[in-house]
Amino acid sequence: DVKVTQSSRYLVKRTGEKVFLECVQDMDHENMFWYRQDPGLGLRLIYFSYDVKMKEKGDIPEGYSVSREKKERFSLILESASTNQTSMYLCASSFGEREQETQYFGPGTRLLVL
Amino acid sequence: AQSVTQLDSQVPVFEEAPVELRCNYSSSVSVYLFWYVQYPNQGLQLLLKYLSGSTLVKGINGFEAEFNKSQTSFHLRKPSVHISDTAEYFCAVSDEDNYGQNFVFGPGTRLSVLP
Repeated sequence: DVKVTQSSRYLVKRTGEKVFLECVQDMDHENMFWYRQDPGLGLRLIYFSYDVKMKEKGDIPEGYSVSREKKERFSLILESASTNQTSMYLCASSFGEREQETQYFGPGTRLLVL
Repeated sequence: AQSVTQLDSQVPVFEEAPVELRCNYSSSVSVYLFWYVQYPNQGLQLLLKYLSGSTLVKGINGFEAEFNKSQTSFHLRKPSVHISDTAEYFCAVSDEDNYGQNFVFGPGTRLSVLP
């Protein structure tokens, strides 16, 4: 079974803090993704990575950065957390091959910024 | 660019009744289509997917969906729901030319199964 794990299920931070969200997958997937999920808006893509050290902006990259130093790990960084970044953050990974398009999701990190 | 519409934000249904959750998409190229389910306080889990071939796709937990290219739809159905099917359901599309790097999700439909 594919396993995608996220470092924290719940996180409470203060405005202005630097926040790191970690995601690890164990299936040697090429692609990894960070989404945020908000009620009524569904999932919105923040960043994705198709290879080590490679990254691409998604739909809402402002206020976020990412790091992928190893294939299995993809980190989301909030440089200076703000209250409007309170959300559920979901990490996903996929093979990246044409016939293997499924994305596998982690359990999510619910972040509260006070 | 593709987009996904889920017309119903909430669908209440009684236990053992049939249900259909609607999904329509728009895209200028051929697509892959997916349904995911999210149980409370959990991540998303794949229910089923259409990549090619038969337009009727069967998934886990008794769900199925039918790809209709002319109507650009991929509605999810189950003939008899259980209380345990209460969850949020997301339709997603990925286009054939983008190698899975660009999923677009719909806003979700919250299915509530009532006793």
